[in-house]
Amino acid sequence: DTGVSQDPRHKITKRGQNVTFRCDPISEHNRLYWYRQTLGQGPEFLTYFQNEAQLEKSRLLSDRFSAERPKGSFSTLEIQRTEQGDSAMYLCASSSLNQPQHFGDGTRLSIL
Amino acid sequence: DQQVKQNSPSLSVQEGRISILNCDYTNSMFDYFLWYKKYPAEGPTFLISISSIKDKNEDGRFTVFLNKSAKHLSLHIVPSQPGDSAVYFCAAMSGAGSYQLTFGKGTKLSVIP
Repeated sequence: DTGVSQDPRHKITKRGQNVTFRCDPISEHNRLYWYRQTLGQGPEFLTYFQNEAQLEKSRLLSDRFSAERPKGSFSTLEIQRTEQGDSAMYLCASSSLNQPQHFGDGTRLSIL
Repeated sequence: DQQVKQNSPSLSVQEGRISILNCDYTNSMFDYFLWYKKYPAEGPTFLISISSIKDKNEDGRFTVFLNKSAKHLSLHIVPSQPGDSAVYFCAAMSGAGSYQLTFGKGTKLSVIP
């Protein structure tokens, strides 16, 4: 069990640029989740995959956000035309059926 | 509209004493509750959980109590250790076909040696 891995750990970009984050879940977990956490808040749910199917999306996931999990293993989260308000920690979690979600250490996004 | 509330942003406890962290929720559909611990620069780590069919779950030094009628849960840590110093998040899930966790804002616990 190598844990949930996220890459990069930090990303600094200019407003208006596109960014993409990667998440590698625990290998035997078929469920994958993305959350966003801002300062002083708890993580907020963004989206959920079971295998390659995206089954839940939060209203927080605007049109500029897209997530994929093409082969049911790793996942990517892309933000297009980044805005100041996108600055946050983006957390990925994975789980198997009826088990708690295990989180990675996150990608911290800073928008200049 | 915050569905999971942790009203104490911080808590200080002497080493060896009991730490009690509280959490309230408003959504009656929540039926599974979890506590996560978070150290700086790390992701949240699962600590303990409880289903709504139970009122207590114990794991070593950690016990979670659930009072459904009051929509309240608490995490007890006894005895508290300096390594327990972290931010603790309460989270809730509705079993009605949704797998998203709804988190509180967290309570920062400081255990003083």
